[in-house]
Amino acid sequence: GAGVSQTPSNKVTEKGKYVELRCDPISGHTALYWYRQSLGQGPEFLIYFQGTGAADDSGLPNDRFFAVRPEGSVSTLKIQRTERGDSAVYLCASSQERRELDYEQYFGPGTRLTVT
Amino acid sequence: GENVEQHPSTLSVQEGDSAVIKCTYSDSASNYFPWYKQELGKGPQLIIDIRSNVGEKKDQRIAVTLNKTAKHFSLHITETQPEDSAVYFCAAHRDRGSNYKLTFGKGTLLTVNP
Repeated sequence: GAGVSQTPSNKVTEKGKYVELRCDPISGHTALYWYRQSLGQGPEFLIYFQGTGAADDSGLPNDRFFAVRPEGSVSTLKIQRTERGDSAVYLCASSQERRELDYEQYFGPGTRLTVT
Repeated sequence: GENVEQHPSTLSVQEGDSAVIKCTYSDSASNYFPWYKQELGKGPQLIIDIRSNVGEKKDQRIAVTLNKTAKHFSLHITETQPEDSAVYFCAAHRDRGSNYKLTFGKGTLLTVNP
């Protein structure tokens, strides 16, 4: 079946601009996660959605970052006033989480964001 | 919060040899430990995972062991092939309510030489 998809695959923007990154999770997966991966590092947690609500946004670095999932499926990560330090690969993962053992997370290909 | 350490950062083996990657974690409440393989330009791919109620799990050439007392777990790849070359990440999470956010190690670049 279809996996997690993310668009765009690459995004180059100028410092100070606003960007939106989109994630389409696996159909039927109720949980959605955003992670950020810097060069040579493992992914770092940003925010977690269970259904439409952000259940944990403790990983968002500051208030320039915001994410939504209005219908419990597609999610958008929004970054305002981008800075060069925001350059990274932004990864989305989804998970079924219907039962205690259904928490395998499946990742999308990521969006590579470059802020110039 | 949870902290995951991963070693080595790079590993080079000859085709057919075995490869072992080790991780330690800090939170004794962590109970789920997945391993991901990431190829260049792609997202992490789940290859195997283990839960805290078992000590070992095997899937063809890949096995994972877990020592909860020592808080470490390892990935073992036997009969390595060039297509096993990639960056491998270990991760951990604890069952805190319904949030299963993963904490990752820094990754191991595995190179399998033909």
